[in-house]
Amino acid sequence: QKEVEQNSGPLSVPEGAIASLNCTYSDRGSQSFFWYRQYSGKSPELIMFIYSNGDKEDGRFTAQLNKASQYVSLLIRDSQPSDSATYLCAGGYNNNDMRFGAGTRLTVKP
Amino acid sequence: DVKVTQSSTYLVKRTGEKVFLECVQDMDHENMFWYRQDPGLGLRLIYFSYDVKMKEKGDIPEGYSVSREKKERFSLILESASTNQTSMYLCASSEGSSYNSPLHFGNGTRLTVT
Repeated sequence: QKEVEQNSGPLSVPEGAIASLNCTYSDRGSQSFFWYRQYSGKSPELIMFIYSNGDKEDGRFTAQLNKASQYVSLLIRDSQPSDSATYLCAGGYNNNDMRFGAGTRLTVKP
Repeated sequence: DVKVTQSSTYLVKRTGEKVFLECVQDMDHENMFWYRQDPGLGLRLIYFSYDVKMKEKGDIPEGYSVSREKKERFSLILESASTNQTSMYLCASSEGSSYNSPLHFGNGTRLTVT
């Protein structure tokens, strides 16, 4: 079964802190993982994706993938109030479909 | 930039009506998707299509059907709308394999069934 689980939060961090968002998946057939950010009333937009074990960094964002533990995370360094949004984890599969977790709402307090 | 256009932003329909939600993408993407988004439940996949006239069921296909007669257009059909289908509907497209192809979303259609 293709399931992606996220701790639904909400998560609140002070400005400048590191926000840690987590996701687990149940299907080892998952090929790759995507993190999307969704502001209230808007559509999701891609932050980054990862398909190899280890870390992938893009600016203030770091995605981590551990296939043995079936675990994906997103770290946001130096969190800003503009990072306040819902973060969605999604798993891509080799039949081209994509499944999402329920999302984690992040609030960054000034 | 990829553009995914959903025909309606807001839609109000009555129970039992047949409802069509239209989605068009302009980047020749192979894959198109329909999700619904409800508070606390995230995005749930209804159907997706990887080619013209091809479709695959997602997690919640009951009460819905889809049509993809042309590569750029993917329609979601509610055969007989019910109040539990009140939701935000998001269309998306991607190219090639989902291995490394992110989704590009439309702006969404907020459907209310009364």
